[in-house]
Amino acid sequence: AQSVTQLDSHVSVSEGTPVLLRCNYSSSYSPSLFWYVQHPNKGLQLLLKYTSAATLVKGINGFEAEFKKSETSFHLTKPSAHMSDAAEYFCVGAGAGSYQLTFGKGTKLSVIP
Amino acid sequence: SQTIHQWPATLVQPVGSPLSLECTVEGTSNPNLYWYRQAAGRGLQLLFYSVGIGQISSEVPQNLSASRPQDRQFILSSKKLLLSDSGFYLCAWGRGRDSTDTQYFGPGTRLTVL
Repeated sequence: AQSVTQLDSHVSVSEGTPVLLRCNYSSSYSPSLFWYVQHPNKGLQLLLKYTSAATLVKGINGFEAEFKKSETSFHLTKPSAHMSDAAEYFCVGAGAGSYQLTFGKGTKLSVIP
Repeated sequence: SQTIHQWPATLVQPVGSPLSLECTVEGTSNPNLYWYRQAAGRGLQLLFYSVGIGQISSEVPQNLSASRPQDRQFILSSKKLLLSDSGFYLCAWGRGRDSTDTQYFGPGTRLTVL
């Protein structure tokens, strides 16, 4: 069985400060992991994807995530928040042999000017 | 490049009325297609997926149905809407044999059932 847990439902940062959105996973096998971003009333946009080729994954808009097997974590970071980063972020897991994605409950990021 | 379209963008329907939401994908052939619903407090829920024309798999029992009349067209329907059908409906496409391949989402349809 696979599960994805986003540890914070809401994160608030000041513009220009670092962003950390936390995600833990549990899986009986090596997962594929994704981060998606959703702006209000919009679809989900892929930020980055982990597939075991490299533990540090760079995505779009300056985001990156590090897969840590020992900690079963896949946290999303960005060195400097921009106002346009304010949105909801989803950590998502996928397993081989299934069409079902496992979604975290989402973390709403607020950026304070 | 590939693009995915959904329409309408928003819809307000009375309880008991029919529903038809459409999703089309451009720039690829034989994609896997997915319908998700995002309801307040319930996260994202996979409703249906299709790996080919006429092939539909249902993940959740409900009063919704899906059809794939053409390779790149996916339709979500209902004969009689319920209040609980309100939500944000997202279509997605992907390739590969399972969910480990990336899914790309459309802009969504906001459905309000009154």
